[in-house]
Amino acid sequence: QVQLVQSGAEVKKPGSSVKVSCKASGGTFSNDNMGWVRQAPGQGLEWMGKIIPILGLTNYAQKFQGRVTISADRSTSTGYMELRSLRSEDTAVYYCVSTAGTNYYYHKGMDVWGQGTAVTVSS
Amino acid sequence: DIQMTQSPSSLSASVGDRVTISCRASQNIDTHLHWYQQKPGKAPKLLIYGASNLQSGVPSRVSGSGSGTDFTLTISSLQPEDFATYFCQQSHSGTPTFGQGTKLEI
Repeated sequence: QVQLVQSGAEVKKPGSSVKVSCKASGGTFSNDNMGWVRQAPGQGLEWMGKIIPILGLTNYAQKFQGRVTISADRSTSTGYMELRSLRSEDTAVYYCVSTAGTNYYYHKGMDVWGQGTAVTVSS
Repeated sequence: DIQMTQSPSSLSASVGDRVTISCRASQNIDTHLHWYQQKPGKAPKLLIYGASNLQSGVPSRVSGSGSGTDFTLTISSLQPEDFATYFCQQSHSGTPTFGQGTKLEI
């Protein structure tokens, strides 16, 4: 079973960038899909985008297009999410999500989640 | 994007109760609907996928139904560990979207 371990909490200034990592173990990282979902304090869940590491193929939610980059390092089985031009509304917990390669469209749900990384944007 | 609307937003119940949570999609999503449970400070946990399929390890008192635009999550006999927030999520479009959540309280 895949396990995901994310990097630690971050505090950032408005206008800066943050890069969150997610290390996978116990699965076939290259063939799986890694996505990112965020949750603002007391709010719902918001999908940001995903990557297929073996292809380097990315797909982003329109809301984040141009401001987010999702990448993957197959040599270390680690995924990354970088969000730029941070504003206070980006304060949230960011989760990585892994699904099997055959579950690219999430028709079997999002079954493996990281523990979350809290990002605080404050001046 | 497809909008997902859950009802109620919060629900008070007791151990042993049967509860139902509803989720409505803004357009037809077939059975591309999934349910998650989230406890405070924890990541969401997948309960049901494809509207009615129980994820491995999830107790059988949890069930899901529906297709098209209207879906329900049912917990037949509430246990103390079931008090949490529940989210629905659609995967019919290229951009997955979630409902706003239903908080199940004692």
